[in-house]
Amino acid sequence: DTEVTQTPKHLVMGMTNKKSLKCEQHMGHRAMYWYKQKAKKPPELMFVYSYEKLSINESVPSRFSPECPNSSLLNLHLHALQPEDSALYLCASSQSGRLAQETQYFGPGTRLLVL
Amino acid sequence: DQQVKQNSPSLSVQEGRISILNCDYTNSMFDYFLWYKKYPAEGPTFLISISSIKDKNEDGRFTVFLNKSAKHLSLHIVPSQPGDSAVYFCAASARRSGNQFYFGTGTSLTVIP
Repeated sequence: DTEVTQTPKHLVMGMTNKKSLKCEQHMGHRAMYWYKQKAKKPPELMFVYSYEKLSINESVPSRFSPECPNSSLLNLHLHALQPEDSALYLCASSQSGRLAQETQYFGPGTRLLVL
Repeated sequence: DQQVKQNSPSLSVQEGRISILNCDYTNSMFDYFLWYKKYPAEGPTFLISISSIKDKNEDGRFTVFLNKSAKHLSLHIVPSQPGDSAVYFCAASARRSGNQFYFGTGTSLTVIP
């Protein structure tokens, strides 16, 4: 089983709203990732959690707040977003984030539209 | 600075023929390379990978070739099928950079029946 699930599939929110994106995996992976992908662009790394600790934060604005409640779950809390934050948000997981040559497995993404 | 590049944004191939997708990289520290396939409105699906200690890896209809001296890798799909129509991303990582993935910009493959 190489499934990573993400909810919701689609989200429309206003600039004053607070919402959360959720990601779940049951592969026993200990590293989880958030990416942002704009149309016709490659995925851009936002955050990496390894063993439930934030290990990489790629200078993402504070209006994005990640949370890793346990090794299977990853949340991305959104607050006061801007229209330019509209994108496909992808979650991925890998074995540990510490081994060489790990493969990342991606979820289907949440398509976010900020009005 | 784009460390992984896919210079062909699109490719069309007749069904049954070979599809060759190319990827170039600039960072000589990369030691792991992967290809992902992405359908619209879906997340990337892992296809095949290759370690820098190899120059070829094969999995069914998919073969990845790595030329380290040229910093170039390619994905061959033989025979191509209409269901292969998707966007293909190559990605690279280096152990020294914490296994962070660097993605290319993608190549949209259309297989014509």
